[in-house]
Amino acid sequence: EIVLTQSPGTLSLSPGERATLSCRASQSVSSSFLAWYQQKPGQAPRLLIYGASSRATGIPDRFSGSGSGTDFTLTISRLEPEDFAVYYCQQYGSSFTFGPGTKVDIK
Amino acid sequence: QVQLVQSGAEVRKPGASVKVSCKASGYTFTNYDINWVRQATGQGLEWMGWMNPNSGNTGIAKKFQGRVTMTRKTSISAAYMELSSLKSEDTAVYYCARGTRYSLSYYYWGQGTLVTVSS
Repeated sequence: EIVLTQSPGTLSLSPGERATLSCRASQSVSSSFLAWYQQKPGQAPRLLIYGASSRATGIPDRFSGSGSGTDFTLTISRLEPEDFAVYYCQQYGSSFTFGPGTKVDIK
Repeated sequence: QVQLVQSGAEVRKPGASVKVSCKASGYTFTNYDINWVRQATGQGLEWMGWMNPNSGNTGIAKKFQGRVTMTRKTSISAAYMELSSLKSEDTAVYYCARGTRYSLSYYYWGQGTLVTVSS
């Protein structure tokens, strides 16, 4: 089973700042089958990025994904008030697993 | 538009079973796998398994093998996830979800079903 580790656990930033979230896999994720989700309290997760770098429909371009192999990054170029949430990575190249999440909160 | 509508909240005693439904609309039900994900309060997302509605084939996460059964009723475009031998640690929100023609990642989600296990 591929284990995903996310860092940091919590990221405290101000609106307008840049957020960089990391997701590391215990083994290579085939074909960059890596996704990122955003979740707010009381809501189902929302898909942001799939295939490591492709934005899902309707996702603003301030969200971008990069990486391959075992190291992946989600970048939010300028944080908007609605971006403060928990972010999960997921690999779907070998069965499915989620990372533990990174909480982005307001500094 | 694609919708996944789940059944309502459930309360069960330890040792009992629960069956959660996920009714699909807005697309051909048999064309996309249905996945199940759960989330305990304040915790992260945990993948439970997938089901192919066309064949009925399933893939269950090791942790849940022997306790989870995934089935479907294609005539009404519904998928079901049954969890048996419930423990208090199974208290969680259970989601169904599916991908798109571009990706197996989950673009569409149900609204979630809270299952509470308590004596």
